[in-house]
Order: sequence, then structure tokens, then C-alpha cells
Amino acid sequence: DAKTTQPPSMDCAEGRAANLPCNHSTISGNEYVYWYRQIHSQGPQYIIHGLKNNETNEMASLIITEDRKSSTLILPHATLRDTAVYYCIVRVSGGSNYKLTFGKGTLLTVNP
Amino acid sequence: GAVVSQHPSWVICKSGTSVKIECRSLDFQATTMFWYRQFPKQSLMLMATSNEGSKATYEQGVEKDKFLINHASLTLSTLTVTSAHPEDSSFYICSARGRAGRETSNYGYTFGSGTRLTVV
Repeated sequence: DAKTTQPPSMDCAEGRAANLPCNHSTISGNEYVYWYRQIHSQGPQYIIHGLKNNETNEMASLIITEDRKSSTLILPHATLRDTAVYYCIVRVSGGSNYKLTFGKGTLLTVNP
Repeated sequence: GAVVSQHPSWVICKSGTSVKIECRSLDFQATTMFWYRQFPKQSLMLMATSNEGSKATYEQGVEKDKFLINHASLTLSTLTVTSAHPEDSSFYICSARGRAGRETSNYGYTFGSGTRLTVV
């Protein structure tokens, strides 16, 4: 699986959009970009994933650059409960044995 | 959506004793279970992968005789920490994946809520 690079921490004001970047310059053509988050002392939670098109769901939007070497997770209106470590992971889809390898992620702190 | 129930949420045990952690998939069949360990302020580290009905595959450096994994059914996997020592104190998290073609609503990986193990 391709390696990802994320900033170690970011701050965001409550109610504002949080934009979390991720670099994955060695991503392969069949690898997806997944985003998970982990609130303190809980298990990771799936947020969104995509291959090359931008994606949006009820939680967030995922913007993937045309060359697929980087992406941005957007939380449109951050709340205090969005404070968590956000992990960007790239891997192939399908195959029940494919494991998720977590990097260090970005600690997003949403401030009142 | 898919739910994975992990118990206990926290446990304190004496050094030298064994602790069992359960992970159940409540509304889907988990063909594969992943067990992670997380030390304070660190990321999740994969310990092992288990498929229902077969032996687990352990990551390099993880002692298979110390961390016993059983995945006897499609809805239950257990991790037993044998002869626990203080250095085994950590946050243990399971993750379940369903059958190809019947993946959970979050595209494959559903995590338990974690178990905080403290060995004294």
C-alpha cells in the first residue's frame, strides 16, 4: 500500500470548514483513498473513500487531485465533537484479507 | 449500519494472569477479523489477521503464543492475552470485514470500540 503524509496537527474554529490534506504521491492506479477518524479512546470510524472523483457524504467531502497524488478531506462545519485524529489511508479495494495500515494521522482540534 | 461489539471496554488484571477480549459482529458475517494494539499517543499497530475457521496470521514481532486469537465463527473472534505483564498494558481494537460482495455499509472495515487493558 502507498505511503501517506499528513500534518501532525491542525486547529479549526467551531463552525468553520476544516480542510485536512494528505499526500500520497506513490499511489497506484487501483488504490483508493480512505479516511478514518479516531476520537480519543474509541475505535476508528469510517468517514469517506474515493478513487479519483470527488466524493461527498453526510459527514464530509473528499477532493482528490487530478494526478491523484494528494487529497483533502473537508468537514464543512466543524463542531467540537469533530476533534479527533484523522487518518488518510490508501489501499486497494476488495479482498477480505487486505489490511488497513495506519500512519500517524492528523490531530484536528476544533476550538470554540 | 454494521456494528462490531467489543467487550470488555476496560479491564484491570494482575501480572501473570490471562485476559480474554471478545469481538462480535452484530449484523453481518465477519469473514476476516483484524486485531490492533495502540499505545498512548501512538497510532494503531496491526497485530494479526484471522479468517473464520483458520489460524491467524501474525505480524512480525507479535508473539502468537502470547496473543491467542480464535475466530471460530463468522460473528465472533477473541483475543486472549496470556500471562499478561505490565508492558502488555495497551488499547486493543478489533476490526471486522464481511464477505466480498456483501461488504458493510462503510466499505469493508468496521471497528470495535476498543478495550483498555491495564496490567498491575
